[in-house]
Amino acid sequence: GAVVSQHPSRVICKSGTSVKIECRSLDFQATTMFWYRQFPKKSLMLMATSNEGSKATYEQGVEKDKFLINHASLTLSTLTVTSAHPEDSSFYICSASDPTSDRNEQFFGPGTRLTVL
Amino acid sequence: GQNIDQPTEMTATEGAIVQINCTYQTSGFNGLFWYQQHAGEAPTFLSYNVLDGLEEKGRFSSFLSRSKGYSYLLLKELQMKDSASYLCAALDSNYQLIWGAGTKLIIKP
Repeated sequence: GAVVSQHPSRVICKSGTSVKIECRSLDFQATTMFWYRQFPKKSLMLMATSNEGSKATYEQGVEKDKFLINHASLTLSTLTVTSAHPEDSSFYICSASDPTSDRNEQFFGPGTRLTVL
Repeated sequence: GQNIDQPTEMTATEGAIVQINCTYQTSGFNGLFWYQQHAGEAPTFLSYNVLDGLEEKGRFSSFLSRSKGYSYLLLKELQMKDSASYLCAALDSNYQLIWGAGTKLIIKP
C-alpha cells in the first residue's frame, strides 16, 4: 500500500512555542490530506481537510489561526500548532488519500505525539 | 446527525473467534472501513466493504448489510498480537470518513 511519513514522531515543547508537523506521501501524489488528533482512549477527531493549492477546510470548533495548515505540494502538508499550551498535548495523525485508489482509502502517517509543558 | 456505534471493549481468549459489531447512520454511504490501532500507533487498514456480503482476508473477515446499516469484523484464531483497538469508519456522501470511537479488544491466554 501507499506510504505516508510524518515528522517528528515525538516532540516536547514549552508552553507558548510553535510546533510544525510535516506529513508526506512518499510514493503517490495526494491532492487531499487529513489532519486528526486523538486523545487517550478516544477515537480520531478530524481537525481539517487539506487540499493542495487551496485553503484547508476546518471542522467546527477547530481554530484555524491556532492550527495552521499548508498543503504546498502534492506530497507535503504541514500542521503548525501556534502558541502551544498544555491542553494541545495530544497525538496528531495525518492521512492522505490516493486519487488513483478505487476505494477512497486513507493511508495514515505514524503520528506525532505532542507534549506541551 | 451522523453516527457510528460500536462496543467500547471486548475480551476474548487466545485461539478463539470474536465478532466486533458496528452500526452506522450517515448522510449517504460510500463504503465502510475497519482499521486496527495498537496503543500509541496510527491506524492501519484492515478491510473495506461497499457491497453487501462477507469479505474474507486470512484470519480477518468483514461483513456489510447496507439495508441494516450494519457491519461486523470477525477475527479467527485469535493471537495475543491482535490485542488492539478496532475502528469502524463509514464514508459518507461527501467521501468524508465518519469514525466510531473504537472497540478495545483484550486477548487473554
